[in-house]
Amino acid sequence: GQNIDQPTEMTATEGAIVQINCTYQTSGFNGLFWYQQHAGEAPTFLSYNVLDGLEEKGRFSSFLSRSKGYSYLLLKELQMKDSASYLCAVRDWNNNNDMRFGAGTRLTVKP
Amino acid sequence: EPEVTQTPSHQVTQMGQEVILRCVPISNHLYFYWYRQILGQKVEFLVSFYNNEISEKSEIFDDQFSVERPDGSNFTLKIRSTKLEDSAMYFCASRPVGTDLWGYTFGSGTRLTVV
Repeated sequence: GQNIDQPTEMTATEGAIVQINCTYQTSGFNGLFWYQQHAGEAPTFLSYNVLDGLEEKGRFSSFLSRSKGYSYLLLKELQMKDSASYLCAVRDWNNNNDMRFGAGTRLTVKP
Repeated sequence: EPEVTQTPSHQVTQMGQEVILRCVPISNHLYFYWYRQILGQKVEFLVSFYNNEISEKSEIFDDQFSVERPDGSNFTLKIRSTKLEDSAMYFCASRPVGTDLWGYTFGSGTRLTVV
């Protein structure tokens, strides 16, 4: 099975930087995804890491350390529209490479 | 940009009734998924489907659930005898073979309310 842990809620200020952490335990790790989900909407893909290191994509970056079972999503220059849930998800080749989600971190951006 | 389309967007049904949730995955995608999200809870994996058969299913996906690809474009989730606890948002997702860089594409979901 898999355990995926992330903080339940975070609050940050517009224009600031926020880091959302995710730790996971899985026996057949084959990639980690970050998704954004606004209330009542579908998850939308943000990033994918399968090798250690930092992947940068505009204001969003994602980091992975496979040896530590750890990832983070870094959001820079926060905007009000970034208020959403951020879902960490892991692929496991023991589960036919299917993706499983963590419970998500609800981020509130305040003025 | 290609989309995964789900219908209906909202379905209300009486307990014990059968419902069919419909999805049209992206045309060149070959892996299909159903996930559900009970209000305020995590997105939960239900089932994956490849090459016209179920490749993986979760413990949630019991005998009351079934999936089908009745033709070349549709992918359906049937719940045979709905229960109150089946009330949730159901998301369909798809992805192409061999391309991980962009993750899964999710549909906008069907909100199922069982009364």
